Order: sequence, then structure tokens, then C-alpha cells
Amino acid sequence: ETGVTQTPRHLVMGMTNKKSLKCEQHLGHNAMYWYKQSAKKPLELMFVYSLEERVENNSVPSRFSPECPNSSHLFLHLHTLQPEDSALYLCASGLAGSNEQFFGPGTRLTVL
Amino acid sequence: GENVEQHPSTLSVQEGDSAVIKCTYSDSASNYFPWYKQELGKRPQLIIDIRSNVGEKKDQRIAVTLNKTAKHFSLHITETQPEDSAVYFCAASLGWSNYQLIWGAGTKLIIKP
Repeated sequence: ETGVTQTPRHLVMGMTNKKSLKCEQHLGHNAMYWYKQSAKKPLELMFVYSLEERVENNSVPSRFSPECPNSSHLFLHLHTLQPEDSALYLCASGLAGSNEQFFGPGTRLTVL
Repeated sequence: GENVEQHPSTLSVQEGDSAVIKCTYSDSASNYFPWYKQELGKRPQLIIDIRSNVGEKKDQRIAVTLNKTAKHFSLHITETQPEDSAVYFCAASLGWSNYQLIWGAGTKLIIKP
């Protein structure tokens, strides 16, 4: 795959596990996003890294922790999740100033 | 906070007919309005977008119209085909941000053969 890639594509974890989701973009973008997609709900922005700025949705629980070591890589660290955190987690990238966002294929997360 | 309302949540049309999906936004400073298509099991992909200095934009069978006064915009698909079946999302730029979008809840479009 080219563009925006995400690993793993599927993840099943228990509530006591710690795992990380990875996103990588090869488009030369300078903004990266984590979204949560649940059935019949709007895409929920969790975190944005744009240039030197990080923006977070204050409603996101602290059990989700992002990391952006450089403009091409983005991680979402997960710990002590709840069953209601089961969803599709989408990464996107874009150019700050253009608003257009390119999505990765997503990670389907199931919390048991 | 700012929001985008999208209607209908489900739309079923006969193959060959037209489909219209409508969105209303609240942020008067929004200036960018994209539409994304998400097929089952796939990622959302941009299909068309419009900026606030334009009232209408067309690309083959799809078109988007924008009414800034009323703060609503619509997606029009003509001569629908089975491959148009998907979930469509509208979004509006968050006015003060040059990189954030506010999303609608999506419309599931079903094309009946």
C-alpha cells in the first residue's frame, strides 16, 4: 500500500493489555490525525499533530495516548481500554492550510 | 460547539435515478466543504470538495452546491450506479483552523437494481 498505511489492521485485546497502533504516511504531509469511527456516529477527532502544534479532543480518555516522533509517523498507545472503545480507528494526513485529509485503511479494534 | 448535521441517514434510490444528500453547518467562518465516500470495509476517500468562494462544482455525475447564506451544502449524484452504494460523509472546515474538519454523521446510500 502507498499513501497512508496503518498497522495492525485488526486488533483484539483484553482490558488489561497495552498495545499501540501505528500510522505512516509517505505523502510529504505535515499534519496527522487520529479519528475514532463508531457505527452511525460522526467521525470523532481524537488528536491532531500539525507542524509544531498538538490539538486534542478533551473528551478523549487518558487511556489513549498519542505520539508523533516525526511528520511521517503517528502512534496511538492504548492501555486499560474498555469494551466501549471497540471501534475503527482511522489515521489521516494532510497539509496544514489545505484542510484536505487522506485516510489510512484503519485498525478494527475489539476490546473484550 | 460547532457541528454539521447531515440528512438523510439512509437513502435508497433506484439505479439510474438521482440522489441528493444535504448538510447544514453552524460555523459561519467555515470555508471548505468536502465530501467523502466510504465503501464497506474501506477507507473514506475524497470525492469532491468546494470552497466558499464558489456556489457549485461538478465532476461528471457528482456535483456539490453551497448556500453560504443558509449555511448548507448538498451532494448530487445523477444516473446512479450500483458502485455508488456506500456511506457518504460531509464535512466543514473549523473556521479558525486551517487543518481541522467537523464531520456529519454519514448517509448510507443504497442503489436498488
